[in-house]
Amino acid sequence: AQTVTQSQPEMSVQEAETVTLSCTYDTSESDYYLFWYKQPPSRQMILVIRQEAYKQQNATENRFSVNFQKAAKSFSLKISDSQLGDAAMYFCAYLDIIQGAQKLVFGQGTRLTINP
Amino acid sequence: GAGVSQSPRYKVAKRGQDVALRCDPISGHVSLFWYQQALGQGPEFLTYFQNEAQLDKSGLPSDRFFAERPEGSVSTLKIQRTQQEDSAVYLCASSLYRGGGPGPQHFGDGTRLSIL
Repeated sequence: AQTVTQSQPEMSVQEAETVTLSCTYDTSESDYYLFWYKQPPSRQMILVIRQEAYKQQNATENRFSVNFQKAAKSFSLKISDSQLGDAAMYFCAYLDIIQGAQKLVFGQGTRLTINP
Repeated sequence: GAGVSQSPRYKVAKRGQDVALRCDPISGHVSLFWYQQALGQGPEFLTYFQNEAQLDKSGLPSDRFFAERPEGSVSTLKIQRTQQEDSAVYLCASSLYRGGGPGPQHFGDGTRLSIL
């Protein structure tokens, strides 16, 4: 079974600085998707960024970018110019698309604090 | 509506009672998912519907858990004879894509269930 590991339970960063959140995963599949979701105290999971495994180019969305290392099964999230509104729980997630499987497998999460 | 709507937002029940949690997905979304999120943990997959068909219920923890989506839109997650270990946030998500698609899943705010 696929597993996702986030080894940093908590991280903090000064406002306007850059922070990187780590994620590793385990799978025997060659084609899949990876996601970073943000969960503020309101509980709604908000999609931050998505990466297709067959694409070598790292995904970027404004201040958010990923470092996808397929051979190492690593998928880290970099947040540039951190803002107070970035404070939340961040979850890394894996999606297996083989045979129509649709379930997301989540990591344990990293709580990000932004210091003003 | 514009997003996934879940009700109630909070539910308190006594051990042994039955509960029903409702999810209204985004209009037109084919796929619907239920996840269980224990305190301080990442969400865990419970079950998946494509239209009215329940294609995967491998994550349901016991036969006390039952989900339905009779008309391919609104879904209900029912828990019978609740136990304290059922206390968690229950998240519903919907996706435009059928099986094998790239996600992304859009989440509701969740229902926080507390069993006394």
